[in-house]
Amino acid sequence: DTAVSQTPKYLVTQMGNDKSIKCEQNLGHDTMYWYKQDSKKFLKIMFSYNNKELIINETVPNRFSPKSPDKAHLNLHINSLELGDSAVYFCASSQGVRLAGGGEQFFGPGTRLTVL
Amino acid sequence: DQQVKQNSPSLSVQEGRISILNCDYTNSMFDYFLWYKKYPAEGPTFLISISSIKDKNEDGRFTVFLNKSAKHLSLHIVPSQPGDSAVYFCAASITGNQFYFGTGTSLTVIP
Repeated sequence: DTAVSQTPKYLVTQMGNDKSIKCEQNLGHDTMYWYKQDSKKFLKIMFSYNNKELIINETVPNRFSPKSPDKAHLNLHINSLELGDSAVYFCASSQGVRLAGGGEQFFGPGTRLTVL
Repeated sequence: DQQVKQNSPSLSVQEGRISILNCDYTNSMFDYFLWYKKYPAEGPTFLISISSIKDKNEDGRFTVFLNKSAKHLSLHIVPSQPGDSAVYFCAASITGNQFYFGTGTSLTVIP
């Protein structure tokens, strides 16, 4: 059983297109995240949702819009894709976000997005 | 502005020897630190963590040391095994909120 799953695993698309990446977790966690790992391997948080509520929104272009239909899902929609959006996107989940000393995250396998 | 840094992109160690991976941070408010391990084409998996109230945490072959005055933490793996070959990320947070990751160190354990 996959704890955190993402689809698709690979996504190749043209500049200007709109695409979505789906994420689901079956761990019963109440917090989910999207990270971007760029070509320099830097893993940077983009968004965090706790119980379907947006709690972290880093400086990300508003072409990126997360959508959380329920606690178990956090999808990432990207409009007007640009070359610089090419990266690996990781979804993650954790139990609790404001637990002191807690909250290790479980990551999905990643989605490699290539914008041509 | 990178608040967590791993200055060694790669490390090679003989099987059976100790692997020491280092991580430095700049924000003195960080109070919770984690190490993740990542294999190719997979997401990072949690390895070990340490709270700022401790200076050492041990789990089997893995030990994390925290030096708050130096804003430095390290992960020791002993003895190193070929299956430990992976990329290791350190991460830091404030009370389990937003996590900041380093850029990773690729460890190769040579049989």
